[in-house]
Amino acid sequence: KAGVTQTPRYLIKTRGQQVTLSCSPISGHRSVSWYQQTPGQGLQFLFEYFSETQRNKGNFPGRFSGRQFSNSRSEMNVSTLELGDSALYLCASSRGELGTLRDSEQFFGPGTRLTVL
Amino acid sequence: AQTVTQSQPEMSVQEAETVTLSCTYDTSENNYYLFWYKQPPSRQMILVIRQEAYKQQNATENRFSVNFQKAAKSFSLKISDSQLGDTAMYFCAFMKRTDYKLSFGAGTTVTVRA
Repeated sequence: KAGVTQTPRYLIKTRGQQVTLSCSPISGHRSVSWYQQTPGQGLQFLFEYFSETQRNKGNFPGRFSGRQFSNSRSEMNVSTLELGDSALYLCASSRGELGTLRDSEQFFGPGTRLTVL
Repeated sequence: AQTVTQSQPEMSVQEAETVTLSCTYDTSENNYYLFWYKQPPSRQMILVIRQEAYKQQNATENRFSVNFQKAAKSFSLKISDSQLGDTAMYFCAFMKRTDYKLSFGAGTTVTVRA
């Protein structure tokens, strides 16, 4: 079974631009979560999608948004990039339906390294 | 909000020896899950072990085991027979049941010496 894939793996943008990151979950997984990882703030939850609906959202400004498609693939978008948005963005997938432990386990992709200049 | 604390920023262990990583958490929830993830220098996060809060029995996965103390809100990870490939950052994480949101600790960097 293929793992979680994220594209692109590396991205360099300048302040003020916008960026879209993509995540394809493990086959059969319907929940996709996004996390931001920085040296200063560690791993922080951005949002989680299930069946094309946002179920949970972290404490990030509205510049950070996401969506999920009918095939469970997800994208996140960051508009008006700031220097502080430089981070590793991780996507994780899980079955996400029943709330059991096995259903809740999250499997991570390799991440997208975003650098904002 | 749940807080996860890993009090050891770095640990070093000799190959074949045992190392224990500490994790404490703060929550008012009764139904939750706890996880340990490993992030090697390649950066891919790997699920190491998981635990359900209402199960008293400590989880074990090969050389990895946990000591779950629910009343003390403690969830430590023991790595036995350490191998060079265990060198990584280890994150403790909390999830409220049906929340699908992980709250992570700051991580512990483990270095296994040959």
